[in-house]
Amino acid sequence: DADVTQTPRNRITKTGKRIMLECSQTKGHDRMYWYRQDPGLGLRLIYYSFDVKDINKGEISDGYSVSRQAQAKFSLSLESAIPNQTALYFCATSDRTGSGYTFGSGTRLTVV
Amino acid sequence: RKEVEQDPGPFNVPEGATVAFNCTYSNSASQSFFWYRQDCRKEPKLLMSVYSSGNEDGRFTAQLNRASQYISLLIRDSKLSDSATYLCVVNKLGTGRRALTFGSGTRLQVQP
Repeated sequence: DADVTQTPRNRITKTGKRIMLECSQTKGHDRMYWYRQDPGLGLRLIYYSFDVKDINKGEISDGYSVSRQAQAKFSLSLESAIPNQTALYFCATSDRTGSGYTFGSGTRLTVV
Repeated sequence: RKEVEQDPGPFNVPEGATVAFNCTYSNSASQSFFWYRQDCRKEPKLLMSVYSSGNEDGRFTAQLNRASQYISLLIRDSKLSDSATYLCVVNKLGTGRRALTFGSGTRLQVQP
């Protein structure tokens, strides 16, 4: 099994719908992150969590929310999806040094 | 100005060639530096950390120039399997609140 598992792998949704992307990890890491990747823009940080009670906005948090349900689980929600949220979304984890991220395989989200 | 800037490429090189990528970062407080590799439609994976004194891992050599705020990656004896996008990554420690910042990547295509 993968160390960091994202579900779903692919999703097509309609504008205005609420959607949740899920991430779970078996690394035992405290820190978890959500990034989105768009062509030519690289990975941009949406939200990050340094432990279960610690949630922080990244550079592009508008339109997104997160929930850290347990050390191993960190979910990302789009409350009302819009087409410019079409992207590849990655969850990642790291230990407390913050070095050497482990990424999930990504969720390809299309908002139509 | 982007925090981390890279030439997007693509760099098209023949097998066996030596190729170098550079990356510049804007935040002088950045303290940790990495190169990640990303294959098409896959998650990024840590290639190597970058240390002030420079470091080597097989055919890969990473250098850091703090004064000029740039990082380099040298690949010797290129293989077809080196074809990927190489992401320059920095982290600012000290505040304890930051996550990794990714460049948008440099694409390498090694040709037979």
